[in-house]
Amino acid sequence: DTGVSQDPRHKITKRGQNVTFRCDPISEHNRLYWYRQTLGQGPEFLTYFQNEAQLEKSRLLSDRFSAERPKGSFSTLEIQRTEQGDSAMYLCASSLKSSGTGEQFFGPGTRLTVL
Amino acid sequence: GENVEQHPSTLSVQEGDSAVIKCTYSDSASNYFPWYKQELGKRPQLIIDIRSNVGEKKDQRIAVTLNKTAKHFSLHITETQPEDSAVYFCAASKDGANNLFFGTGTRLTVIP
Repeated sequence: DTGVSQDPRHKITKRGQNVTFRCDPISEHNRLYWYRQTLGQGPEFLTYFQNEAQLEKSRLLSDRFSAERPKGSFSTLEIQRTEQGDSAMYLCASSLKSSGTGEQFFGPGTRLTVL
Repeated sequence: GENVEQHPSTLSVQEGDSAVIKCTYSDSASNYFPWYKQELGKRPQLIIDIRSNVGEKKDQRIAVTLNKTAKHFSLHITETQPEDSAVYFCAASKDGANNLFFGTGTRLTVIP
């Protein structure tokens, strides 16, 4: 499968626990994005990387959230001290910056449930 | 920041009829407008996109129109089929910016 992959697909955790999600973009895609989607809503932008550099963060990304892309390939999104309001689908997308805005290809998402 | 509104939230059509979904955006600097289809439990998939240097784009049964002056764009699906049933999201972004601002989605149901 050469598409964007995410792991795990589902995560159930108790309030206050830390969780980490992984995203593997399409190989050679230099841009990687994280979005959050709640039921009945469109995806909301969280953060974006170009190669290993985190270039933009939404104000939705509180200090409990941290994202990394250490080698410019896969990325991780960590949520510390989870809250029930963090329950959502976390989507990763990747694109290839050539000229203009490249199409973003989405992964299947990680569904987080905080009890 | 950008604000994208999408209407209607739900749409039911008979198979073979046309469906139209409309979006408005607030930031006049936005110049890239993709449409994504998301089937239940699946990832969003790009079905068509348009840039602000054109007013209309077609791909088989799907077309998108853009009115920059009014800051609105629309998705048109002709000869709808049951497999077109899904949630459709419009989005907007600025060239050089990297985050997509999504609408709230339209649940399209095509009745056989």
